[in-house]
Amino acid sequence: GAVVSQHPSRVICKSGTSVKIECRSLDFQATTMFWYRQFPKKSLMLMATSNEGSKATYEQGVEKDKFLINHASLTLSTLTVTSAHPEDSSFYICSARVAGGRETQYFGPGTRLLVL
Amino acid sequence: AQKITQTQPGMFVQEKEAVTLDCTYDTSDPSYGLFWYKQPSSGEMIFLIYQGSYDQQNATEGRYSLNFQKARKSANLVISASQLGDSAMYFCAMRVAGGTSYGKLTFGQGTILTVHP
Repeated sequence: GAVVSQHPSRVICKSGTSVKIECRSLDFQATTMFWYRQFPKKSLMLMATSNEGSKATYEQGVEKDKFLINHASLTLSTLTVTSAHPEDSSFYICSARVAGGRETQYFGPGTRLLVL
Repeated sequence: AQKITQTQPGMFVQEKEAVTLDCTYDTSDPSYGLFWYKQPSSGEMIFLIYQGSYDQQNATEGRYSLNFQKARKSANLVISASQLGDSAMYFCAMRVAGGTSYGKLTFGQGTILTVHP
C-alpha cells in the first residue's frame, strides 16, 4: 500500500511556542490530505482538508489562525500549531487520499504533541 | 449529515475464535464507502477493508470480512481465527461523495478488541 510519513513522531514544547508537523506521501502524489486530532482512547476528529495549491477547508470549531495548514506540493502538507498551549496536547494524524477506485486514505504514523 | 456508530466500547475474544465488531451508519447520500481501520497501541492507522455502497458482494480481505446489510445500514467487521496481534482499537469510517471536503472520513467511536490466549 501507499506510504505516508509524518515528522516529528513526538514533540515536547513550551507553552507559547509554535510547532510544525510535516506529512509526506512517499510513493504517490496526493492532491488531498487530511489532518485529524485524536485524544487518548477516543475517535479521530477531522480538523481540516488540505488541497494542493489552495486554502485548506477547516471543520467547524477548528481555529484557522491557530492551526495553520499549508499544502505546498503534491507530496507535502504541513500543520503548524501556533502559540501552543497545554490544551493543544494531543495526537495529530494526517492522511492522504489516493484518487480513484476505493478512494482509500492512507494514514501517517501520527505525531504526539505535548505542550508544557 | 453523516454519522457512524460503534456501540461496543470493548470486546473480548479467545485466540483462534471469530469475533464481530458492530458498525451502523446513517447518510442520505446514495453513494458512499465504508472502511475499517485498526489502530494498535503505537497509534498508526492500518487500513483493513473497504465496502462500496453499490458493491453487490460483501468485501473480504484475508481473515477480515465485512457483513454489509444495506437495508439495515450496518457494516459489521468479522475477524476469523483471532490472533493475539489483533488486539487493538478498531474504527469504522464512512466516506460520502461530493462536497468541498471530498473524500473526508467520518469515524465511529471505536471498539477496543482484546484477544485472550
